[in-house]
Amino acid sequence: SYELTQPPSVSVSPGQTARITCSGDGLAKHYVYWYQQKPGQAPVVIIYKDTERPSGIPERFSGSSSGTTVTLTISGVLAEDEADYYCQSADSSGTHEVVFGGGTKLTVL
Amino acid sequence: QVQLVESGGGVVQPGGSLRLSCAASGFPFTNYGMHWVRQAPGKGLEWVAFIRYHGNNKYYGDSVKGRFTISRDDSKNTVYLEMKTLRPDDTAVYYCAKDRADTWSDLGFDVWGQGTMVAVSS
Repeated sequence: SYELTQPPSVSVSPGQTARITCSGDGLAKHYVYWYQQKPGQAPVVIIYKDTERPSGIPERFSGSSSGTTVTLTISGVLAEDEADYYCQSADSSGTHEVVFGGGTKLTVL
Repeated sequence: QVQLVESGGGVVQPGGSLRLSCAASGFPFTNYGMHWVRQAPGKGLEWVAFIRYHGNNKYYGDSVKGRFTISRDDSKNTVYLEMKTLRPDDTAVYYCAKDRADTWSDLGFDVWGQGTMVAVSS
């Protein structure tokens, strides 16, 4: 079945730039969404359609795409950005399934 | 405001059944597909099921196919998840989520509920 691969963890100091990648064979054909999840809370969408940012999401969050890899970039990381981040896409080629990456724990040092 | 409120979670024995509900408000419910997503304790997110806006097409994750059924009642702005033959590995927080665009090339969630806990244990 379709898989999305993320690094398990990323660590950055406050004010630095964090980059979280998500790779998968189907990403060239389907858009990716990114979600932020803090402990005990429901996920929140921070990027949709690879690069679009919902209203209310700070400009320091951005998304980019290149072939079968998409990247979530957090510029000028704040302590409050410490959370789990998940990429998500879909596969309609056969099984029609929705897929999440395994998640990346962002630690702000 | 746009809101999803899940209910129906609880403790159930292996092999048992449970029905989850998700009440939607603040948006035209009949225009949007709806999903269930779960998260086992300490684990990542797992997609469970999707029902299109018209209710005619339903899709399921491999781990729940044949055991879970998603449905919707547009008169009540509510989506349901009927769960049967429950197993200990079904233990998770179950989230209801609104589909943003209801098209497979651009499929994702723009609103999530707060979740309801399901524990399968003897």
